[in-house]
Amino acid sequence: QSVLTQPPSASGTPGQRVTISCSGSSSNIENNYVFWYQQLPGTAPKLLIYRNDQRPSGVPDRFSGSKSGPSASLSISGLRSEDEADYYCAAWDDSLTGWVFGGGTKLTVL
Amino acid sequence: EVQLVESGGGLVEPGRSLRLSCTASGFPFRDYPMTWFRQAPGKGLEWIGFIRSKDYGGTTQYAASVKGRFSISRDDSRTIAYLQMNTLKTEDTAVYYCTRTLRSDILTGFYLWGQGTLVTVSS
Repeated sequence: QSVLTQPPSASGTPGQRVTISCSGSSSNIENNYVFWYQQLPGTAPKLLIYRNDQRPSGVPDRFSGSKSGPSASLSISGLRSEDEADYYCAAWDDSLTGWVFGGGTKLTVL
Repeated sequence: EVQLVESGGGLVEPGRSLRLSCTASGFPFRDYPMTWFRQAPGKGLEWIGFIRSKDYGGTTQYAASVKGRFSISRDDSRTIAYLQMNTLKTEDTAVYYCTRTLRSDILTGFYLWGQGTLVTVSS
């Protein structure tokens, strides 16, 4: 049982916009930064979004993050086949004094 | 080249110990906190713990699931971070990753990841 709650799956067709949600609480998302990671099959995770809505250099602006209260979301616009991956949200949890993750959302590009 | 390379994984019996190494190159290792994660087969990511840079005391913090059994250390002269795992359990079976943050501030996200090393705990 993950501390942060994500839908287990999401899907879309090429060119569509997809949004993945991440629900937490006041001990994590509401009062701390949210981070998003992409994990392609058989590879290490990749940082997509940091500090709620910031993109590291090299991450396409098709990826965007937002946060409102105890929830956050990752949006992917102009969906491409190479976006098919697992996506994880993460945040620091003040009660657990540690990093917590969502269970991951498997994105399928139809 | 900026990279992290983990080593030391393998098959180990329950109750035994194992030490993983994370060798860094291409960046000022001493300036960065180093963090370990793991991912059990077919499961999500789990934070294990981190070690701060010496400038921030070199202190450590651990997840409750491993506290007292796992410990993290660093050798800045050799640019290596270690994960010492004791009293291993079958549920510790996972791919173990070491990571570095985007910037020296730990709240900038885990940007650089090693390739991971598989630890299998089984008799």
